[in-house]
Amino acid sequence: GAVVSQHPSWVICKSGTSVKIECRSLDFQATTMFWYRQFPKQSLMLMATSNEGSKATYEQGVEKDKFLINHASLTLSTLTVTSAHPEDSSFYICSARGIAGLYEQYFGPGTRLTVT
Amino acid sequence: EDQVTQSPEALRLQEGESSSLNCSYTVSGLRGLFWYRQDPGKGPEFLFTLYSAGEEKEKERLKATLTKKESFLHITAPKPEDSATYLCAVQARMSGGSQGNLIFGKGTKLSVKP
Repeated sequence: GAVVSQHPSWVICKSGTSVKIECRSLDFQATTMFWYRQFPKQSLMLMATSNEGSKATYEQGVEKDKFLINHASLTLSTLTVTSAHPEDSSFYICSARGIAGLYEQYFGPGTRLTVT
Repeated sequence: EDQVTQSPEALRLQEGESSSLNCSYTVSGLRGLFWYRQDPGKGPEFLFTLYSAGEEKEKERLKATLTKKESFLHITAPKPEDSATYLCAVQARMSGGSQGNLIFGKGTKLSVKP
């Protein structure tokens, strides 16, 4: 139980284009989903928190117009990196917290984004 | 300020050599402390949640304990497949607009040699 998937697992895009990453909770309903970014050999950095049907809450320093988050249903959240630049290259990981579960967050496998 | 500190940063063990990883925390009201395992290029895998001092949880060769200031992840007779980065995170009691986000430590990279 408590499986979270991400798609795609890796993506290469050209500078200036937009990329959408999907995060799905497969066997539970996620009232809250989180998006993280992780640089090599560093811990996870929270980018934003989204609740189903509400606008996402972004952490300080994260551009909300650049990283568009949509949490349209209890099982799906998307992160769109708009006008991507090489400095946006990173490992993006989502996590989900369910209704029935207590406080655990379950993480997806991550998406490796490379902007050329 | 809520903070999580993990030590050591890296730990090398021989197969079968038991040891412990430390997670010290300061938080304004602990709601839960979480241990995750992360393999390179993958998302964190949930291991344990601890809610109150004195609580212990076990899973195979791993045992997590919690006090009011720190948590330990004990690894008994580790195997090479236990090699990974172990992350500790805390969640503070939600108040106001808080979403109950996790605050992560930087992790301990464990290497177990055969």
